[in-house]
Amino acid sequence: DQQVKQNSPSLSVQEGRISILNCDYTNSMFDYFLWYKKYPAEGPTFLISISSIKDKNEDGRFTVFLNKSAKHLSLHIVPSQPGDSAVYFCAASASNTGKLIFGQGTTLQVKP
Amino acid sequence: KAGVTQTPRYLIKTRGQQVTLSCSPISGHRSVSWYQQTPGQGLQFLFEYFSETQRNKGNFPGRFSGRQFSNSRSEMNVSTLELGDSALYLCASSSWTSGGSGAQYFGPGTRLLVL
Repeated sequence: DQQVKQNSPSLSVQEGRISILNCDYTNSMFDYFLWYKKYPAEGPTFLISISSIKDKNEDGRFTVFLNKSAKHLSLHIVPSQPGDSAVYFCAASASNTGKLIFGQGTTLQVKP
Repeated sequence: KAGVTQTPRYLIKTRGQQVTLSCSPISGHRSVSWYQQTPGQGLQFLFEYFSETQRNKGNFPGRFSGRQFSNSRSEMNVSTLELGDSALYLCASSSWTSGGSGAQYFGPGTRLLVL
């Protein structure tokens, strides 16, 4: 039972354009959502998070949107840069747990 | 602040052996979580420790265990290694204590190969 799903294994965009990565979840107890960026053989790097009491959070080029009714979140990267090429994971957790449930990841390629 | 550190970075063991991995969290962080990453199963939660107590546990067999010391450093142990235990083991630390949630910051991982 996969509680967090990233249905697109890969995404390719042109440098300077917007990258939109999507994530769906099934567990209504999740109230905190995060996005991580990962390079091979390295640990995930925290990018941005959002609490379920919000529907949008921005940090520089990164914006996360949360649609609770649809149980859907997305990460927007504007403008995309070649250095953004990596695997992106969304993760979710419920209050009072140190347990993150991860999606399977989306490989983003930003072409110069 | 220094990030999360994990030792060793690479490890080769044979089936039946046991292994101990170490993690030092970011200074001031008291919550430490462990994850296993494999190509087939992705990133999966093993367990979380806070103030030397295991607070949460994932769906892994009892061969996987851990502990946390008074300085928040943590170790995980895998006994009777199996080929399927070959994976990247990641440690993450967080500053959250109770109520709500907080971001977890990951170390570089320990790559374990079981032959």
